[in-house]
Amino acid sequence: GAVVSQHPSRVICKSGTSVKIECRSLDFQATTMFWYRQFPKQSLMLMATSNEGSKATYEQGVEKDKFLINHASLTLSTLTVTSAHPEDSSFYICSASADSGLVLHFGNGTRLTVT
Amino acid sequence: RKEVEQDPGPFNVPEGATVAFNCTYSNSASQSFFWYRQDCRKEPKLLMSVYSSGNEDGRFTAQLNRASQYISLLIRDSKLSDSATYLCVVNTGANNLFFGTGTRLTVIP
Repeated sequence: GAVVSQHPSRVICKSGTSVKIECRSLDFQATTMFWYRQFPKQSLMLMATSNEGSKATYEQGVEKDKFLINHASLTLSTLTVTSAHPEDSSFYICSASADSGLVLHFGNGTRLTVT
Repeated sequence: RKEVEQDPGPFNVPEGATVAFNCTYSNSASQSFFWYRQDCRKEPKLLMSVYSSGNEDGRFTAQLNRASQYISLLIRDSKLSDSATYLCVVNTGANNLFFGTGTRLTVIP
């Protein structure tokens, strides 16, 4: 079945630094990738939708200059959390779709802790 | 009104019980529907797509009611391993995906 690899699975960083999270589709071409954030005991919240070769579409309330998304190829999207703060500590998950979002394949998530 | 609404629970049921969750959606033009299962601190995994005619996979049955705009998930003969959060996801088309808040299920021995 389709596999999405997300890296790193866990990262601890200091306040003010930037963190890059990678999301790769290993056995299919992902025309669309989605990035989510999940706080403890809450549901997934879509942050942005990225389409290969074009700018990401951000959800309302998500700062595009803080959460930089790059989807330069059909198999890789990256999310960079810039100038991280403790309130950015969360579980970040990507998902990829080859068929316009009909079926989502999720990465295994990245747990970010900002100290 | 939220695009997708789901009772967060928790649902605490004994082993062997039958439990059902509903998820309502507001956009009548929604095109596809899914149930995902999410274990604590893990990513969601697709449990079932929901088809218009209803579909069954072992102990799990998913149904779609377009007239009343809801989808349902029925779990029969609950197992301890069914304890998880069940998320409904609605695709309104053009990559517009909406997640329910998730329903937390705990199956008790």
